[in-house]
Amino acid sequence: NAGVTQTPKFRILKIGQSMTLQCTQDMNHNYMYWYRQDPGMGLKLIYYSVGAGITDKGEVPNGYNVSRSTTEDFPLRLELAAPSQTSVYFCASSYSELAGEGNEQFFGPGTRLTVL
Amino acid sequence: RKEVEQDPGPFNVPEGATVAFNCTYSNSASQSFFWYRQDCRKEPKLLMSVYSSGNEDGRFTAQLNRASQYISLLIRDSKLSDSATYLCVVNSHRGGSYIPTFGRGTSLIVHP
Repeated sequence: NAGVTQTPKFRILKIGQSMTLQCTQDMNHNYMYWYRQDPGMGLKLIYYSVGAGITDKGEVPNGYNVSRSTTEDFPLRLELAAPSQTSVYFCASSYSELAGEGNEQFFGPGTRLTVL
Repeated sequence: RKEVEQDPGPFNVPEGATVAFNCTYSNSASQSFFWYRQDCRKEPKLLMSVYSSGNEDGRFTAQLNRASQYISLLIRDSKLSDSATYLCVVNSHRGGSYIPTFGRGTSLIVHP
């Protein structure tokens, strides 16, 4: 049981390039999330999904796109990379909706992205 | 006012000390609350949920005060291995789903 996996671990992009950050979970979780974490800051929600085929915007969606064609995978797409997108990106999943006590999120190890 | 606020610290304490962190939230309709631990350059991991009645897990105690809109984390008998950043997470209902909001974290350094 690998949990939540993310690839790549590190990436350097030039301004204007595109890339996809991969996220896969093997826990059969319906809910998946993408966050970014800037130095010294908390995590900010980019996009989330409540199940295959359903995605919605979080707090900071501009410059990103997502898709959810399967329960396991939730890729994050950067179309035109900008220096402001330099950050650490975390993917997470949860078994159920984060409504009640005890519903935790499981995080992947993160992708460190630098845009130059 | 930020939706979830934490004192970034760092809190610098000796081994064996008791230390407490608070986290305030602005949305009175917030539904569930958590403390996560994040080690340097690692992903966050759940430390404990915060139950309405308060809860304890070994040396760690979490409390919720809905009237004053804050949660707290108390660590007793601090260990060197407790050095980390502690993230407060508040889940609120928005647009049909429960959305998590993270605080910026409180840094704890436990020294010998």
